[in-house]
Parts: sequence; structure tokens; C-alpha cells
Amino acid sequence: EPEVTQTPSHQVTQMGQEVILRCVPISNHLYFYWYRQILGQKVEFLVSFYNNEISEKSEIFDDQFSVERPDGSNFTLKIRSTKLEDSAMYFCASSAPQGRSYEQYFGPGTRLTVT
Amino acid sequence: DQQVKQNSPSLSVQEGRISILNCDYTNSMFDYFLWYKKYPAEGPTFLISISSIKDKNEDGRFTVFLNKSAKHLSLHIVPSQPGDSAVYFCAASAAGTASKLTFGTGTRLQVTL
Repeated sequence: EPEVTQTPSHQVTQMGQEVILRCVPISNHLYFYWYRQILGQKVEFLVSFYNNEISEKSEIFDDQFSVERPDGSNFTLKIRSTKLEDSAMYFCASSAPQGRSYEQYFGPGTRLTVT
Repeated sequence: DQQVKQNSPSLSVQEGRISILNCDYTNSMFDYFLWYKKYPAEGPTFLISISSIKDKNEDGRFTVFLNKSAKHLSLHIVPSQPGDSAVYFCAASAAGTASKLTFGTGTRLQVTL
């Protein structure tokens, strides 16, 4: 069964460093998303991406964040200058809306630890 | 911003009995609702969904009920199995293709022997 994959599974970085989180969405999906979950809190939407551009972004997704689909398979989230409060699980998701079916399928997540 | 609320942080149910997980929402624009199951250190796994044009959707042991007037939905698991022990998240989406999901805080279900 097709699945969303994410690398790395765990990333440790120092405050102020740049990180790139990578995702390979399900191959025939058209919409891509990033969410994050800070420990003990709920899953929060960051950004959605369709047709090579951002469809929607949350207040969390400020100028320090960017997304890119550099080729036909990868979808990346870049944080330019990490802060302590960026420590969280980051989940990539993808969906292929058909009719009124909008299920999003999530990857296993990348645990980002900023020290 | 608590547009989707799951007021029970945890629930314990005996194997074979029914598990009922509840979710309330406040945003009238939500028209699609989903339940996800999550194990520790894994991503959310899609379980079942319902459109606002329906009031019930079944898939095997899982049934979701939607009461639009009360802005309430519930997930029923019958019969509950030990493998169902996980955190269950309710999520909602507003009108439009592939809109963002707004998640609840989750309910930890423990199915005991």
C-alpha cells in the first residue's frame, strides 16, 4: 500500500541553524501539507501546497519557513534559522481529492530537537 | 482557538465492549470530518470520515455519527480490541478542495482485557 515517507526520523540542530525536512508524498497525490505537533499539544496545520505554489498557510508559517517541491517526488520544509520553540514533530501529508473525498495521509514524522 | 474539542483526554474500555469517542466543533464552515488514530512515534493514520451531507458512515467496526445541529460527532468502535489502544484525533475541514485540517486535542483509548 502506498505511503508517505519522511526523512530524517530525528533531527537535532542548534538554535539559529537551518534545517530541511524531507517528504515523499504518495505518488498520484496532488496536494501536500506540513503539520507539526509540539509535545503534549494538538496537531497544527502549517502549510498546504498545490500546483507548485502555497495554497494556504497558518500564522505559524512565517518568513523563517519555506516549502519546495524540487522534483516530481520530494516535498521539503525548510526552517532558515531555528528557534527553541520549533522543537516538535513535523508531519508531512498528502491527498488526492476525488469527488468529496478529502482524506489526508500522513507520514511517520520527523522529530526536530533544537538545542 | 479551540474550534475542535475533544473533552475526554482518556477513555478505558473492556475488550469486546463499545468504545465511544466524542468530538465537538464550533466553526459552522466545517463540512467534512475525519477520525485519525495515532500510536506513539508514528504519524496519524486515517480511520474514517463523514461529509456534512450525511449523519452516519460505517466501515467495519468503526461508525461515525454526525449531529450538525449540535455540532457534535462521535466515533463508535464495536467490538473494541486491544489493538485499538491509541490516541484518537477528530479533525475537521472547511468547504473547498483539500483544505487544511483542524485537529482536536485527542482522546487516549485504552482497551483492557
